[in-house]
Amino acid sequence: AQSVSQHNHHVILSEAASLELGCNYSYGGTVNLFWYVQYPGQHLQLLLKYFSGDPLVKGIKGFEAEFIKSKFSFNLRKPSVQWSDTAEYFCAVNGRRGGNKLTFGTGTQLKVEL
Amino acid sequence: GAVVSQHPSWVICKSGTSVKIECRSLDFQATTMFWYRQFPKQSLMLMATSNEGSKATYEQGVEKDKFLINHASLTLSTLTVTSAHPEDSSFYICSAPGNPGLAGDEQFFGPGTRLTVL
Repeated sequence: AQSVSQHNHHVILSEAASLELGCNYSYGGTVNLFWYVQYPGQHLQLLLKYFSGDPLVKGIKGFEAEFIKSKFSFNLRKPSVQWSDTAEYFCAVNGRRGGNKLTFGTGTQLKVEL
Repeated sequence: GAVVSQHPSWVICKSGTSVKIECRSLDFQATTMFWYRQFPKQSLMLMATSNEGSKATYEQGVEKDKFLINHASLTLSTLTVTSAHPEDSSFYICSAPGNPGLAGDEQFFGPGTRLTVL
């Protein structure tokens, strides 16, 4: 069975601070990795995804994530956050043999203060 | 991107009644849809995979007679919570993959349905 851990449950940053949210997964095979964001009152949206190739992937709104296979990690980063980045962030994993089924982490609530 | 809608966005019902939640893909066809449940301050838990033209596939621990899923067409899946009880109160979210033939492709999520059972 696949599982996902997000260690930071709540993060508070000031605008312009750098962000890194941790994500570790457990799965015995090849995976696809995702970060989804849920802004207040809105539905989940895809930030970025990794399928193969360059382990450093860039997503929307200046976010990026790095897949480190040896560490089973897929941490999300942004060099300078904005107030509008306040949202909940979910890491998700899809084992290649599991079709489109996603396993989500518990989420990280990010609050960016002015 | 593709759009998925849910109806209703929130519903309050009495204990013992049944509630139907609709999930529609508005501008694409979805042979597969997924139903999730999200508890407050917790993650999304996959409940079942809805398959157009065949039976739904339920995750371990999810009662199929409790949560009835019908995938009536290529754009509509419904989740019926039968004989609802207060412990069924939750946020129910559906999603559909943009390209079901591409394993692991991006999924598009509905806005969710807040169910409160009194």
